Amino acid sequence: QVQLQESGPGLVKPSETLSLTCTVSGYSIGNGYYWAWIRRPPGKGLEWIGNIYHSGTTYYNPSLKSRVTISVDTSKNQFSLQLSSVTAADTAVYYCARHTTTRGCDYWGQGTLVTVSS
Amino acid sequence: EIVLTQSQGTLSLSPGERATLSCRASQSVSSSYLAWYQHKPGQAPRLLIYGASSRATGIPDRFSGSGSGTDFTLTISRLEPEDFAVYFCQQYGSSPPTFGLGTKVEIK
Repeated sequence: QVQLQESGPGLVKPSETLSLTCTVSGYSIGNGYYWAWIRRPPGKGLEWIGNIYHSGTTYYNPSLKSRVTISVDTSKNQFSLQLSSVTAADTAVYYCARHTTTRGCDYWGQGTLVTVSS
Repeated sequence: EIVLTQSQGTLSLSPGERATLSCRASQSVSSSYLAWYQHKPGQAPRLLIYGASSRATGIPDRFSGSGSGTDFTLTISRLEPEDFAVYFCQQYGSSPPTFGLGTKVEIK
């Protein structure tokens, strides 16, 4: 069974970089699929941050593109998110997910709350 | 980007009743790449329907999806106690993928 688990600091200071890692079990990232980061700010809808293919090809939401980096480490079966210059508006529950071009996101992590505050 | 509107914020229904949830897109969804998810607090979202009408693996047949173009529907034929949750739609045919705000199905 495919499982995803987000990890990383729950509190980040304004202007710093948010860093999260998604550990995948039950499936080898190197075998394919896209791997995505999605977030839900408090009281708002889900927002696609970006995704990475197992080969390293990335797509970033234009609204966040200047601040986002997604990377993959197939040896650890992990992929990561870095979001720079964060503000309170980046406070959200962050989810990682496996994304397919035909079925949408078929597996998700439980999500992790990241709060941006001094 | 495509905006998805789920006009029903909350549906208050009883177990055994039929639930009909709507999702309207601001422009046509390419190839009917529309998915529905169930989300319960503290859990990972669960894929129910993809391609507007295909049930994901292991999803009971009381869940069905329909629609095309800009109007989509998720139907739960008879609500079971475990079905009370938030449901949200997603289009993944155009970049960036976008989501509806969700509809909460609560026990009446």
